[in-house]
Amino acid sequence: EDKVVQSPLSLVVHEGDTVTLNCSYEVTNFRSLLWYKQEKKAPTFLFMLTSSGIEKKSGRLSSILDKKELFSILNITATQTGDSAIYLCAVTRMRSETSGSRLTFGEGTQLTVNP
Amino acid sequence: NAGVTQTPKFRVLKTGQSMTLLCAQDMNHEYMYWYRQDPGMGLRLIHYSVGEGTTAKGEVPDGYNVSRLKKQNFLLGLESAAPSQTSVYFCASSYGPSYQPQHFGDGTRLSIL
Repeated sequence: EDKVVQSPLSLVVHEGDTVTLNCSYEVTNFRSLLWYKQEKKAPTFLFMLTSSGIEKKSGRLSSILDKKELFSILNITATQTGDSAIYLCAVTRMRSETSGSRLTFGEGTQLTVNP
Repeated sequence: NAGVTQTPKFRVLKTGQSMTLLCAQDMNHEYMYWYRQDPGMGLRLIHYSVGEGTTAKGEVPDGYNVSRLKKQNFLLGLESAAPSQTSVYFCASSYGPSYQPQHFGDGTRLSIL
């Protein structure tokens, strides 16, 4: 059974702080790891990582994958109150064309950024 | 630019009642998914579909049925609602099996009394 563990489960910081969110996984035939941000409603896609050591970056957010140690981190620099959200990590397996891109999600990290 | 639309947004049912949640996407995606999200358990896959007329079980399929009669719609049915099915339900879609990111709807909050 695939397993995704995120830490910490919740985090409270002040604006301007830098945060690191962790995601470790156990999955058979790993294909990719994805990060989503969930504010009040729908999760929205942030990054997809398939190769170790290659950093993905979007503005103040960045993420990297370590396939040897089976984890990923999501960094947010100079946090803003708008970064307050649940950050979800998910993994996909190598599967056949008929079985789709099934995601196994972690529990999420609730980030609160205070002014 | 609607993306993935779920209806209804909220619903309260009594135990034993039935209902259908509707998901519609306008992105011409082949793959569609239904998840439930519960506190402390993240998002869990209920059923999914890899194309019109096909469905498959996910991680927690018991008590639910689905249908994909049209490519743009994916229906989730509860035949006899139970309090354990109180949850927030999310529909998602993706372009194909090449591990493309999934696009989510805004969710349906369902309470079973």
